[in-house]
Amino acid sequence: SAVISQKPSRDICQRGTSLTIQCQVDSQVTMMFWYRQQPGQSLTLIATANQGSEATYESGFVIDKFPISRPNLTFSTLTVSNMSPEDSSIYLCSVMVAGGRDTQYFGPGTRLTVL
Amino acid sequence: AQSVAQPEDQVNVAEGNPLTVKCTYSVSGNPYLFWYVQYPNRGLQFLLKYITGDNLVKGSYGFEAEFNKSQTSFHLKKPSALVSDSALYFCAVSSTGTAGNMLTFGGGTRLMVKP
Repeated sequence: SAVISQKPSRDICQRGTSLTIQCQVDSQVTMMFWYRQQPGQSLTLIATANQGSEATYESGFVIDKFPISRPNLTFSTLTVSNMSPEDSSIYLCSVMVAGGRDTQYFGPGTRLTVL
Repeated sequence: AQSVAQPEDQVNVAEGNPLTVKCTYSVSGNPYLFWYVQYPNRGLQFLLKYITGDNLVKGSYGFEAEFNKSQTSFHLKKPSALVSDSALYFCAVSSTGTAGNMLTFGGGTRLMVKP
């Protein structure tokens, strides 16, 4: 497995502002993902963070709203831009390690509240 | 397209009794099946997975799950429930036919274990 940390763990933000969430892994991983969990809901994949290139976004998510960076094999950021109350969610990063047989391991999540 | 159904929003069980949390899936290709648990204000923790081999897989904290191909099910079980097992449980699937190892999650089942 891998040890995954996220910063911040939670935040309360004003409408129209942006927040950048960091995901740090203690070892090099093959793949990194970002998910959203809206209140009382399941997880929805936002995008796959690709090292050194543009992220691959799922239907319903766009780069202008959720820009993602992955400068190396252990770090990624997700920005939630021009926030509205509908963006209030838990945002989780996950990783897949080499030889991990397709298992994704999740970070502790970032709880975002937009007022 | 792949999908996961968890037909029960909540499962109630008395401590010491066996528990079952149900999951059915639909994929093209061979399924990779996973169970995750989410405690309050925490990220997802990996419990167990089925990739190939024995249909009965054992995981963390005494949990096990049985893969049933004919019924397209992967129910989570534990012989004797503990109060500390109370949490939100997610079933997830990817497949050999899925690009990028995309995980699809079920809606989640809240397990309540009462003393």
